[in-house]
Amino acid sequence: QSVVTQPPSASGTPGQRVTISCSGSSSNIGSNYVYWYQQLPGTAPKLLIYRNDQRPSGVPDRFSGSKSSTSASLAISGLRSEDEADYFCAVWTDSLSGRWVFGGGTKLTVL
Amino acid sequence: QITLKESGPTLVKPTQTLTLTCTFSGFSLSTDGVGVAWLRQPPGKALEWLAIIYWDGDKRYSPPLKSRLTITKDTSEHQVVLTVTNMDPVDTATYFCAHMLRGPGCGGSRCYYYDYWGQGTLVTVSS
Repeated sequence: QSVVTQPPSASGTPGQRVTISCSGSSSNIGSNYVYWYQQLPGTAPKLLIYRNDQRPSGVPDRFSGSKSSTSASLAISGLRSEDEADYFCAVWTDSLSGRWVFGGGTKLTVL
Repeated sequence: QITLKESGPTLVKPTQTLTLTCTFSGFSLSTDGVGVAWLRQPPGKALEWLAIIYWDGDKRYSPPLKSRLTITKDTSEHQVVLTVTNMDPVDTATYFCAHMLRGPGCGGSRCYYYDYWGQGTLVTVSS
């Protein structure tokens, strides 16, 4: 059971906008930055969003992040087939002397 | 271009010690604000952070696993090594190393984040 929770799956058709949620608590999302990663099968995770809503250079602006209270969201607009991947959130938690925790991942299917 | 690659045994027996090496390029672990972390992901489960070593030699371990983990760096060889003692079948996982970068205007462990990852190496614990 992850400390931060994500829906196990999400889906959309090409061109649609989909959102993936990451729900936590005051000790993690509520007080720290949230990061989002994309992982294609057999490949290294790729940073999509840092510090809640910042995009690294090279990440398309179709990807956006937001945070409100103890929840965060990743939105993907203009969905494309190559967006089919696993997405997970990461956040520092102040509990247990501080550590990183990760969402269980959301498998995005492009129909 | 930052790259990281994990290496080590694919199969270990219960009670044995696992030694994994992360060989990296494109950055120096002596640079202020840089770290290298180890994480793992059991099949079908969420990622779990294990340990971090920072540019200044400071180390942090996941509290539940702290007694079993040791992380070291060889700056000149561009390597970071993780040892995990007393391996158990529940430790079967894909093990990742990742480059960490400290965000601007911030201090402490909470300010570092993973920006580049290795592809991971699957370690199976079985007799």
